[in-house]
Amino acid sequence: AAGVIQSPRHLIKEKRETATLKCYPIPRHDTVYWYQQGPGQDPQFLISFYEKMQSDKGSIPDRFSAQQFSDYHSELNMSSLELGDSALYFCASSLTGNTIYFGEGSWLTVV
Amino acid sequence: QKEVEQDPGPLSVPEGAIVSLNCTYSNSAFQYFMWYRQYSRKGPELLMYTYSSGNKEDGRFTAQVDKSSKYISLFIRDSQPSDSATYLCAMTLGGSNYKLTFGKGTLLTVNP
Repeated sequence: AAGVIQSPRHLIKEKRETATLKCYPIPRHDTVYWYQQGPGQDPQFLISFYEKMQSDKGSIPDRFSAQQFSDYHSELNMSSLELGDSALYFCASSLTGNTIYFGEGSWLTVV
Repeated sequence: QKEVEQDPGPLSVPEGAIVSLNCTYSNSAFQYFMWYRQYSRKGPELLMYTYSSGNKEDGRFTAQVDKSSKYISLFIRDSQPSDSATYLCAMTLGGSNYKLTFGKGTLLTVNP
């Protein structure tokens, strides 16, 4: 079965640079979520989209923005990167919030 | 105090043991309860999903929910070394809000 696809899987950026993460949800899923997981931490909710409209917002820094496109893929844009942004970023998708499936994650290292 | 508290472990058991993982929560509005398994540097994998008090069984896994006590459990029977991972409980309010609130996770090691 198709899963949530994330790219890139790993990226290294310098402080103050910009990074963009991409997410392709499971086909026919209408909701996309972004989570951030620091080392040894549980995933923290950042933002979600339902049918391409922002549906909820969590602890997402103002330096970050996200959107969902007409083909339902989503991108998380992170600017002015800080060392503390180093984390595993997960995208997840669901069909009307029923059961939520996660991608393999994108590992961001800021140096 | 976090909305969802999870026994931190780590937990180390011999192969074949029965494992019990637990979470408590403070918000009685939580309606949907999930258990995820996460291997190191991998995405959380959905194991169990329940929405009512009682037990739900799937193979070697049993999820138990007690809404009156605000307590959920995951039991793993005949544990295998491949079960070694971090187990995260998670829950949502439902309605139009499906944002997951996670516990801290319990690191389980099953020794051969």
